[in-house]
Amino acid sequence: SQQGEEDPQALSIQEGENATMNCSYKTSINNLQWYRQNSGRGLVHLILIRSNEREKHSGRLRVTLDTSKKSSSLLITASRAADTASYFCATKHSGYSTLTFGKGTMLLVSP
Amino acid sequence: DSGVTQTPKHLITATGQRVTLRCSPRSGDLSVYWYQQSLDQGLQFLIQYYNGEERAKGNILERFSAQQFPDLHSELNLSSLELGDSALYFCASSAEDVSNSPLHFGNGTRLTVT
Repeated sequence: SQQGEEDPQALSIQEGENATMNCSYKTSINNLQWYRQNSGRGLVHLILIRSNEREKHSGRLRVTLDTSKKSSSLLITASRAADTASYFCATKHSGYSTLTFGKGTMLLVSP
Repeated sequence: DSGVTQTPKHLITATGQRVTLRCSPRSGDLSVYWYQQSLDQGLQFLIQYYNGEERAKGNILERFSAQQFPDLHSELNLSSLELGDSALYFCASSAEDVSNSPLHFGNGTRLTVT
């Protein structure tokens, strides 16, 4: 299976702390994307990082990609209660026209 | 608002029945994707259409079928429904190949089979 795996499955932190989520995958990719899903809602795209990129920033989000280890991490700095959601990594593999999603990390940020 | 519209929001039906889920993609997006989300399987890719043609197939059951119409809206037909088909069904659209652009998701249709 090409499905990526997020780690941890669940994460509980206090407001103001940083949250780090990891994603591992098995076969080579063209790009890796992170999405966020609030309970029962559609997924929202956060960041796309290409296979030749190592790091990308967007506001309080920082994504790294290590293709040698086939892994990526998503860092949310100075978290807020509104960041409470599930976060998914999705991979675009060579030869495939679609994204494969992991099972996600549930993040709970307490005030 | 992603610009992707899915109807209905909720469907409750009995085993053996047939339902149709509808999706209108973002204006200008030619690709439509269908995903199924359940607690045990996560988000599973079902099928992709590009400008009316089937582009890729994933873990879609033979009881399920889809199409994309000339106005680019898409429908997912689920027949001979089983309890295990209960899930959230998402439609997503993209402007280009996902090598270069993200997916934009609708808010899903929650299907409950009783």
